[in-house]
Amino acid sequence: AQSVAQPEDQVNVAEGNPLTVKCTYSVSGNPYLFWYVQYPNRGLQFLLKYITGDNLVKGSYGFEAEFNKSQTSFHLKKPSALVSDSALYFCAVRDISDYKLSFGAGTTVTVRA
Amino acid sequence: GAVVSQHPSWVICKSGTSVKIECRSLDFQATTMFWYRQFPKQSLMLMATSNEGSKATYEQGVEKDKFLINHASLTLSTLTVTSAHPEDSSFYICSATDIYGYTFGSGTRLTVV
Repeated sequence: AQSVAQPEDQVNVAEGNPLTVKCTYSVSGNPYLFWYVQYPNRGLQFLLKYITGDNLVKGSYGFEAEFNKSQTSFHLKKPSALVSDSALYFCAVRDISDYKLSFGAGTTVTVRA
Repeated sequence: GAVVSQHPSWVICKSGTSVKIECRSLDFQATTMFWYRQFPKQSLMLMATSNEGSKATYEQGVEKDKFLINHASLTLSTLTVTSAHPEDSSFYICSATDIYGYTFGSGTRLTVV
């Protein structure tokens, strides 16, 4: 079985400060990992994914994430947060043998001006 | 990039009526489509997985007779909520997948009155 944990319900940061959203995962084999962002009453927008290769993945809107196999983590980061980054963020994982994505509970990010 | 069109964006219906939600992959052929349900400020709950030309696979606890899924072509899947009740009110999101990844529709807000 695969699962994702996002330990923080909320993350609050000031604009211009670094932003980190935490994610840990559990899969039986090699993971495919994803980050999505959701704005109110909208679907999910893709930010980035890790399939294989470099542990540091760069994605959309200045976001990046680092795959850490030993810690089974895939934390999302942005060096300098913007007010417009305020949204709901989801980490997701799938096992190589299954097309289904498992989502974390989501983390609400609030960036204050 | 890949685009998934989901319609309608919102719908209000009376109890006992049926509502159909469409999910179309606009510029790619989706091998598999997924239907999710999301409650306010919560994660996505997978309802069912559909492959073109075959019956949908429903997750445990999802009533297949209430949530009818049809995947008639590689670009179109529909979810019909039959005999809707107020407890079916929710945000429904579809997702289409191909070899490149997962693309989500913009969601449908269903309100049953």
